[in-house]
Amino acid sequence: QKEVEQNSGPLSVPEGAIASLNCTYSDRGSQSFFWYRQYSGKSPELIMFIYSNGDKEDGRFTAQLNKASQYVSLLIRDSQPSDSATYLCAVNKGRGFQKLVFGTGTRLLVSP
Amino acid sequence: EPEVTQTPSHQVTQMGQEVILRCVPISNHLYFYWYRQILGQKVEFLVSFYNNEISEKSEIFDDQFSVERPDGSNFTLKIRSTKLEDSAMYFCASRREAEAFFGQGTRLTVV
Repeated sequence: QKEVEQNSGPLSVPEGAIASLNCTYSDRGSQSFFWYRQYSGKSPELIMFIYSNGDKEDGRFTAQLNKASQYVSLLIRDSQPSDSATYLCAVNKGRGFQKLVFGTGTRLLVSP
Repeated sequence: EPEVTQTPSHQVTQMGQEVILRCVPISNHLYFYWYRQILGQKVEFLVSFYNNEISEKSEIFDDQFSVERPDGSNFTLKIRSTKLEDSAMYFCASRREAEAFFGQGTRLTVV
């Protein structure tokens, strides 16, 4: 079982729609969960992180965490073509929970 | 806004040669990392560094790899004898609290 699993996509949504990106993780002891955006050939760019069950909102982005189901998601409201990228889910692990373990990412395509 | 900077942006080297990848983390950050991403694959953890020593390393980080923080600002990754399979994007990251911020990466091509 992979430590962090994501559907590779692509997930295609029209401009203005809500994009829903999902991630599951295997280690119940994981405490912090991160969403990064990565444009092709570029570095991961932090969108937001969450560590408590429930929702966390930041602008057009909402992260949702359900530790019982070992599931974390990212909603992007009012999707824009500039949101087209690969979205990486990452979990904090290791001693002192220092390192990030990444999923393979979900490619999002927002069409005008 | 403070950012992690990496040099060079692209490095081409011959197999068996030594390379040093350089990073300047964000100045008040305490934890430093190297990750790599082989083309088309996921971002993989290599090593974490805290309080002037390695705090954790992955199986990838074998004896050919080393890290240093030679002064108060730079953080380097050395690969002693590069192999073809070391070709990848190498990302430096730093954090102070929960969030880790990544540099723009060094694309290493081993020929």
